[in-house]
Amino acid sequence: QSALTQPRSVSGSPGQSVTISCTGTSSDVGGYNYVSWYQQHPGKAPKLMIYDVSKRPSGVPDRFSGSKSGNTASLTISGLQAEDEADYYCCSYAGSYTPYVFGTGTKVTVL
Amino acid sequence: QVQLVQSGAEVKKPGASVKVSCKASGYTFTSYGISWVRQAPGQGLEWMGWISAYNGNTNYAQKLQGRVTMTTDTSTSTAYMELRSLRSDDTAVYYCARAQGFGSDLDYWGQGTLVTVSS
Repeated sequence: QSALTQPRSVSGSPGQSVTISCTGTSSDVGGYNYVSWYQQHPGKAPKLMIYDVSKRPSGVPDRFSGSKSGNTASLTISGLQAEDEADYYCCSYAGSYTPYVFGTGTKVTVL
Repeated sequence: QVQLVQSGAEVKKPGASVKVSCKASGYTFTSYGISWVRQAPGQGLEWMGWISAYNGNTNYAQKLQGRVTMTTDTSTSTAYMELRSLRSDDTAVYYCARAQGFGSDLDYWGQGTLVTVSS
């Protein structure tokens, strides 16, 4: 199972919106509505930001939203803030033999 | 509050084994599973396997089959991950993470354990 494809980096100014794509196949992203997104600050553990494509856990700001179309999932951060600067990883269920396939990761830079 | 606290950093020689612990608190341990995820220096996340804390069922990543064993001790709410025949490319930060069920999202993570494999 290959890693899901994400852009290496995206950037935006405070207050702007950025969108991170996560491209897989019909065997993972396109086949299930089980895409999650994780935020990771340097030296820290990942944090769940979005699950089941578009649901936000309690405590995650509504500036973070998720969606999916076909084999590509997306994470949008609206009203970008300095503390959003981090690495972001998507993850998809890919069946009973490989339940978790992670994306390659995207570095978000707040200009 | 939910917490997963992992054991400390380890330095091992090639060919040796390492066992990392993950002590859970703040929730009913047997109602969830634990996944293990590792991250090599400067690299992305790699899923290693999952264990049900309810019945001990496991599912391991194909590339680690035969080298990894995951167990739980329900009396202490602790999960363990043992990796054998260590190689230099096993050098990574190892995380445990809680999962409601097999394949479900990882909603709480441990702080990570650095395992360095070096001669």
